Amino acid sequence: GDSVTQMEGPVTLSEEAFLTINCTYTATGYPSLFWYVQYPGEGLQLLLKATKADDKGSNKGFEATYRKETTSFHLEKGSVQVSDSAVYFCALVNTNAGKSTFGDGTTLTVKP
Amino acid sequence: KAGVTQTPRYLIKTRGQQVTLSCSPISGHRSVSWYQQTPGQGLQFLFEYFSETQRNKGNFPGRFSGRQFSNSRSEMNVSTLELGDSALYLCASSLEQGSLKTQYFGPGTRLLVL
Repeated sequence: GDSVTQMEGPVTLSEEAFLTINCTYTATGYPSLFWYVQYPGEGLQLLLKATKADDKGSNKGFEATYRKETTSFHLEKGSVQVSDSAVYFCALVNTNAGKSTFGDGTTLTVKP
Repeated sequence: KAGVTQTPRYLIKTRGQQVTLSCSPISGHRSVSWYQQTPGQGLQFLFEYFSETQRNKGNFPGRFSGRQFSNSRSEMNVSTLELGDSALYLCASSLEQGSLKTQYFGPGTRLLVL
């Protein structure tokens, strides 16, 4: 079946540091890929998405590129802020599937 | 557009009771999915409804059930609650555009079973 593997956390960075959270996937067919963010006590917010190979999703300074050859969708941000502290989930949705398959989540803490 | 809403936001029940959670999707979205989130198991898919029909189902016991109404609002029910059912229950509504299915999540209902 489909699966998503995220780099283990927690990740602690200083403000303005560069962020990378690795995500790789296993899926049949040609999935769409997503990053979600969850702040304490809240649901998941869609951060960005990509639907085909070499697509780059971007939002709020975050970027991720759909790499079919390496089955990866790594999340990056050039300069993190304290307000970026949250849990980040990588997910995929397979064509005709009714569900998202999520990674385990990576907790990011950004210190001033 | 208003986002996905879930009620109630918090719930405390005791073992053996049953509970019903409600989800109102984004206007125009016909697909509603439910997920259980726990620290140990992460996000696990419960089921998906589309046009009042269950379209997909995860690996949960029959105590977990759901339904969808003609206005796309959905409810999930858990009967004979167990301590392990304590979790954040998330509802997501989807806009399907061809093969792209983007899910938008509500704030969740946090259930505590004592």
